[in-house]
Amino acid sequence: AQKVTQAQTEISVVEKEDVTLDCVYETRDTTYYLFWYKQPPSGELVFLIRRNSFDEQNEISGRYSWNFQKSTSSFNFTITASQVVDSAVYFCALSELGKTSYDKVIFGPGTSLSVIP
Amino acid sequence: NAGVMQNPRHLVRRRGQEARLRCSPMKGHSHVYWYRQLPEEGLKFMVYLQKENIIDESGMPKERFSAEFPKEGPSILRIQQVVRGDSAAYFCASSERQGGGNTEAFFGQGTRLTVV
Repeated sequence: AQKVTQAQTEISVVEKEDVTLDCVYETRDTTYYLFWYKQPPSGELVFLIRRNSFDEQNEISGRYSWNFQKSTSSFNFTITASQVVDSAVYFCALSELGKTSYDKVIFGPGTSLSVIP
Repeated sequence: NAGVMQNPRHLVRRRGQEARLRCSPMKGHSHVYWYRQLPEEGLKFMVYLQKENIIDESGMPKERFSAEFPKEGPSILRIQQVVRGDSAAYFCASSERQGGGNTEAFFGQGTRLTVV
């Protein structure tokens, strides 16, 4: 069965520190998508990245970077030089294609990040 | 091109009343997904609809909840006889086709339901 685990419930860092948010997933499918979303205090969901299971290349976007390790079923997210505006809840998510053929996205429980000035 | 529009953004209902949440998908999108986020939790899949069809409602509570996506107009998530435990944020997502991880960028801003 699909499952997404985010072991870190809450993280606090001081501004300008780097922080890594962990995500471990379970799936029996060979074809799937992984996502990260940000949910700021205002409550909306902000899409950050999508990665398909065939693309293990790490990605960098500004201060954000993602490390996809298929061997350990992990898709970790690092924020470099954190800023107060990064304070939010971050969700990792998984979408399998094999069984359902549609986007039934399974979300992790989220990691609440607080960046202290 | 407007994104996925949900209204109202905030909804307060007394116990026993009905709640109607609306979701207008992005233009050209004919697939709609509803998710529920209980306080301090992640989002949970509720239902997947195409125009005039419910494809998967495996995440919907068996009673009091229903969803529709008519040929014309928005998708509606309807909760009858609301109880305090229904208080949550309800998110809608849309895609133009089935599968392929396409809903990732197209979530609405959510409707926050508070039952008093």
